[in-house]
Amino acid sequence: EAGVTQSPTHLIKTRGQQATLRCSPISGHTSVYWYQQALGLGLQFLLWYDEGEERNRGNFPPRFSGRQFPNYSSELNVNALELEDSALYLCASSSGTGLSETQYFGPGTRLLVL
Amino acid sequence: AQKVTQAQTEISVVEKEDVTLDCVYETRDTTYYLFWYKQPPSGELVFLIRRNSFDEQNEISGRYSWNFQKSTSSFNFTITASQVVDSAVYFCALKDSNYQLIWGAGTKLIIKP
Repeated sequence: EAGVTQSPTHLIKTRGQQATLRCSPISGHTSVYWYQQALGLGLQFLLWYDEGEERNRGNFPPRFSGRQFPNYSSELNVNALELEDSALYLCASSSGTGLSETQYFGPGTRLLVL
Repeated sequence: AQKVTQAQTEISVVEKEDVTLDCVYETRDTTYYLFWYKQPPSGELVFLIRRNSFDEQNEISGRYSWNFQKSTSSFNFTITASQVVDSAVYFCALKDSNYQLIWGAGTKLIIKP
């Protein structure tokens, strides 16, 4: 069974540009989570989608947005890129929203903003 | 408020030594789940274990073992006979009634040959 996939693996942008990151969950999983991990730092929760709806959002500015498609894949958009947006962006999926649900992670997209 | 503390920022041991990674959590809930993940240099977070608050049995999986103690709000992870491939950052996380994972800061484990 395929795991969570993310594309692209690496992305280089310049300040002010927009970045689009994509995530495909494990087959059968309906929830998708996005995290940011800046170099040397921990995981910061960005967004949670389930059944096409945004369920929760972390403490990030509105220029971080996303959506979940009918096939449960998801897209993270970062507008007006800033240097500090350089980070590893991790996507995770789970089969539901219950307390016991485990999040399974993809390999991440490394975004570099110059 | 919920909180997960991994006080050990970095641990360095020689191969074949045993090593314990500490995780202390705070929550007011009686029902919650605890998780451990491994992040090797490649970056992908690998799920290791999930434990619910009502199951205080210790768990062993090969060289890995976990000790859950509600009395001290700890969920420690021990690697026996460590190997170079165990080198990674290990994260402990808590999920309670907020349904969001609360992450510890991670412990970087270096296993020297």
